[in-house]
Amino acid sequence: KNQVEQSPQSLIILEGKNCTLQCNYTVSPFSNLRWYKQDTGRGPVSLTIMTFSENTKSNGRYTATLDADTKQSSLHITASQLSDSASYICVVSPRTGGGNKLTFGTGTQLKVEL
Amino acid sequence: ETGVTQSPTHLIKTRGQQVTLRCSSQSGHNTVSWYQQALGQGPQFIFQYYREEENGRGNFPPRFSGLQFPNYSSELNVNALELDDSALYLCASSLVAANTEAFFGQGTRLTVV
Repeated sequence: KNQVEQSPQSLIILEGKNCTLQCNYTVSPFSNLRWYKQDTGRGPVSLTIMTFSENTKSNGRYTATLDADTKQSSLHITASQLSDSASYICVVSPRTGGGNKLTFGTGTQLKVEL
Repeated sequence: ETGVTQSPTHLIKTRGQQVTLRCSSQSGHNTVSWYQQALGQGPQFIFQYYREEENGRGNFPPRFSGLQFPNYSSELNVNALELDDSALYLCASSLVAANTEAFFGQGTRLTVV
């Protein structure tokens, strides 16, 4: 069973609309939870990084939330743009082992249409 | 751009061959991590190098090996290639401390035929 699960698997929205992506994780204890944006065939680009003591972090039109009690996170995208079309991946960094040994979810594939 | 460069960008190899992938880390970063990303999947952690020593390994067989050089650049070597090794290989540059940002290269697309 994947330690980081995301939903939905894919999503299509109209330009200008908002959307929320979900992440449930079982990695414990963990140092931080991150959201990355990955364009097809490219490396992931960081959107937000939250430690276990934080419950929200914003980066422009992206807002991530974290509930460490329920082991859930969400990424909210406001006023979507065509360029937001990409895979959005939830990533957890375990506290044990140190460093940036990241556990990735399988991602939510977002498509923004006119 | 993240300042992390990988080479080559694309590669085609035959089953049983060996391959070396390269990664130049971002200036000031002492840690490089390698990930394998199969089509439609999230990246899977292969191993991490910190100051030229392996500093953690994921669930990959010994035919996946690596090196880190004094300038913190890194190589990923895969021996006896199998068809299932076809994937996007990503390296990430960071500091070793937790909660620090990891910057990814654009990846190397390896196809094994």
